[in-house]
Amino acid sequence: AQKVTQAQTEISVVEKEDVTLDCVYETRDTTYYLFWYKQPPSGELVFLIRRNSFDEQNEISGRYSWNFQKSTSSFNFTITASQVVDSAVYFCALSFPGSSNTGKLIFGQGTTLQVKP
Amino acid sequence: DGGITQSPKYLFRKEGQNVTLSCEQNLNHDAMYWYRQDPGQGLRLIYYSQIVNDFQKGDIAEGYSVSREKKESFPLTVTSAQKNPTAFYLCASSAKNEQYFGPGTRLTVT
Repeated sequence: AQKVTQAQTEISVVEKEDVTLDCVYETRDTTYYLFWYKQPPSGELVFLIRRNSFDEQNEISGRYSWNFQKSTSSFNFTITASQVVDSAVYFCALSFPGSSNTGKLIFGQGTTLQVKP
Repeated sequence: DGGITQSPKYLFRKEGQNVTLSCEQNLNHDAMYWYRQDPGQGLRLIYYSQIVNDFQKGDIAEGYSVSREKKESFPLTVTSAQKNPTAFYLCASSAKNEQYFGPGTRLTVT
């Protein structure tokens, strides 16, 4: 089965706290892509990162960082020193490359992050 | 500016009416997708098209129809056969394994 699980439905933090959003995926394929998207109240999905299955190097982009661990099938997302503007729904997603695949994304349920001032 | 446009942002219809949601992209992407989002849930794939004049059903295609006559356009029709049409609909296009999304259309059927 191919599946993405975001066990945290809602998280509430106070501004400047660090917060980690969990993502666990299931697949038997050895080649795949993992994504994180942000959905602010306006509704549009904003692309944050793509990681392929052969690259386990962690990535940092400003206050955002991602921890990819194939051993635990996890791709967690950490926001450091959170800000009110980080309040949104965050989705983790999985897709598969190759001509036989559609490129479609398999989404987790999403985690709603509320950052309070 | 390059991007994906969806119109209108809000749409209201009476039960039993068909309604068509617009999606246009000027990114020159071959592949386009329609997703549905319900409250508290992730996105589910309705239809996708990898090339002009060709499209395939996604996971929840029943009650929906699409066309792909032009590379730039992928309209979605929500038919009266769709039992629970009220939802947020997102269109996306992709190249090089990255999908970009439009702003969405919130459809309410009463």
